[in-house]
Amino acid sequence: EAGVAQSPRYKIIEKRQSVAFWCNPISGHATLYWYQQILGQGPKLLIQFQNNGVVDDSQLPKDRFSAERLKGVDSTLKIQPAKLEDSAVYLCASSRNKWTEAFFGQGTRLTVV
Amino acid sequence: AQTVTQSQPEMSVQEAETVTLSCTYDTSESDYYLFWYKQPPSRQMILVIRQEAYKQQNATENRFSVNFQKAAKSFSLKISDSQLGDAAMYFCAFVNYGGSQGNLIFGKGTKLSVKP
Repeated sequence: EAGVAQSPRYKIIEKRQSVAFWCNPISGHATLYWYQQILGQGPKLLIQFQNNGVVDDSQLPKDRFSAERLKGVDSTLKIQPAKLEDSAVYLCASSRNKWTEAFFGQGTRLTVV
Repeated sequence: AQTVTQSQPEMSVQEAETVTLSCTYDTSESDYYLFWYKQPPSRQMILVIRQEAYKQQNATENRFSVNFQKAAKSFSLKISDSQLGDAAMYFCAFVNYGGSQGNLIFGKGTKLSVKP
């Protein structure tokens, strides 16, 4: 079974620029998560999808972050414009449903300079 | 609010010895799952072990076992016969079984070092 795929692995941008991350979950997994992990901290949930609908985006900074999951499969997370404090690892995860263990991709390390 | 607390930012263990990582959580729900994830320097989160709250028996996976105390809301991870490859960040996580949401909530992690 293929795992969760994320791209790119690394990204360096200047503040006020925009950036997009892509995630392809495990086939058949209905739930998809985007987490932000700042260095030295645990992952913080940004948004959770159930199929192509949003279950929870309460911690997503909606003035600059957006995410979509077209057709309930792949997902993109966008930041526009980026701030220095957005420097973090962005993790995508998927699970069969919203109550089971999540499987994670390798993450995208974003550096905003 | 649902929270997960890992009180040990760092732990160290000698190779082949046993180490226990602590985790407490807070929830008003009665049905939930608990997990321990391992995150090596490669960054990818790997599931180590899971525990269903309705099960009284503690979960085990080879050298990894948990001590689940539901009344105390405690969920510690024991690693036996520690190996160099066990060195990583370990995160305790929690998800409600019931309700419309199933947010997977993480603690801040414990960095485990293994000494040869």
